Amino acid sequence: NAGVTQTPKFRILKIGQSMTLQCTQDMNHNYMYWYRQDPGMGLKLIYYSVGAGITDKGEVPNGYNVSRSTTEDFPLRLELAAPSQTSVYFCASSLKGQNTEAFFGQGTRLTVV
Amino acid sequence: GQNIDQPTEMTATEGAIVQINCTYQTSGFNGLFWYQQHAGEAPTFLSYNVLDGLEEKGRFSSFLSRSKGYSYLLLKELQMKDSASYLCAAPTGGGNKLTFGTGTQLKVEL
Repeated sequence: NAGVTQTPKFRILKIGQSMTLQCTQDMNHNYMYWYRQDPGMGLKLIYYSVGAGITDKGEVPNGYNVSRSTTEDFPLRLELAAPSQTSVYFCASSLKGQNTEAFFGQGTRLTVV
Repeated sequence: GQNIDQPTEMTATEGAIVQINCTYQTSGFNGLFWYQQHAGEAPTFLSYNVLDGLEEKGRFSSFLSRSKGYSYLLLKELQMKDSASYLCAAPTGGGNKLTFGTGTQLKVEL
């Protein structure tokens, strides 16, 4: 099993550009999450999904969009990138949510200039 | 709502014991997690408590008191490689969202 795979690992975007951060998991997990982590800070939830076709907002959803067309994939879309979106983005998945551990991808380090 | 609080940073000596505290206020309780995150890496799971008491797992133990909204992570026989951020997390939103504290940066010194 590869676990949770995120691509790309690094990216530099110009202000106003858009991009999609890819996340896929091969553990047949129902729950998937996108977090951002600013330097020296904890993880803030952007969006989450409890199953294919179902997504919901977390703490900091503005400027982002997600989709969950399959169980495996949970891409995060940034439209009109802003410097405030410079961060490390982590995708995670868990089997059932509340009482099962979450597995994290290796992260995407995004810089908006 | 939910609020999870941890100290920002701690320093301890190699070979010693350190206790990292976490207090939480969540609407509904669905257990409490601890994760470890080394600099530049992804968080990895350490422990999960849903019942009161101490759970021991090698050098690491985690304690929970639901009535006090309090948990701690106990690290024994500290090693240099234990220098990392330790994140307390609780499922919220009916258990569908995993909400993290800001993390405690632990530095282990000789």
